[in-house]
Amino acid sequence: ETGVTQSPTHLIKTRGQQVTLRCSSQSGHNTVSWYQQALGQGPQFIFQYYREEENGRGNFPPRFSGLQFPNYSSELNVNALELDDSALYLCASSLGDRGFTGELFFGEGSRLTVL
Amino acid sequence: GNSVTQMEGPVTLSEEAFLTINCTYTATGYPSLFWYVQYPGEGLQLLLKATKADDKGSNKGFEATYRKETTSFHLEKGSVQVSDSAVYFCADTGGFKTIFGAGTRLFVKA
Repeated sequence: ETGVTQSPTHLIKTRGQQVTLRCSSQSGHNTVSWYQQALGQGPQFIFQYYREEENGRGNFPPRFSGLQFPNYSSELNVNALELDDSALYLCASSLGDRGFTGELFFGEGSRLTVL
Repeated sequence: GNSVTQMEGPVTLSEEAFLTINCTYTATGYPSLFWYVQYPGEGLQLLLKATKADDKGSNKGFEATYRKETTSFHLEKGSVQVSDSAVYFCADTGGFKTIFGAGTRLFVKA
């Protein structure tokens, strides 16, 4: 069973640039959630994708956008980067529908630094 | 909106000491409750969960009981080990979104 993998693990960008982070969900999971974890804080919910559709969104501006592909992998895109976007971005997969238990399976994250 | 509040850290204990990390939630209804753990350099992983009132989740010597009357889900372990040093996150799930607390860092000294 393949776990959740994220890429890249680390990256550095400058203000105003755009970034794309990628996530492969655990085998058999059809739901992907993205979280932002600032240093010393808990993960903050960005949005969730279920069967290629956005299924809910947290309190993040529209410059945070995402996609889910037919194989259930996902991308997080952030435009017009700001210094406060510096954080660890976590992807979590889960099983939706009747198989939903609430448990999230996390990748190790992508650490973004914005200079 | 819903929130999860857990005690601030860091918590520093000696090996074999008793551990309690407090957690309260504000979600109405009957959310599922979770404790996740983040070891240094790793992603979050589920430690234990409880899905209804009075349920007790347990794993690796850790326990937490879902208390609806006090909206709490405190984490306990009778005897901590150095290997338990990590950050612990309380979380609740209602619907599609999981809400996390700010995390409590635990240091266990040998």
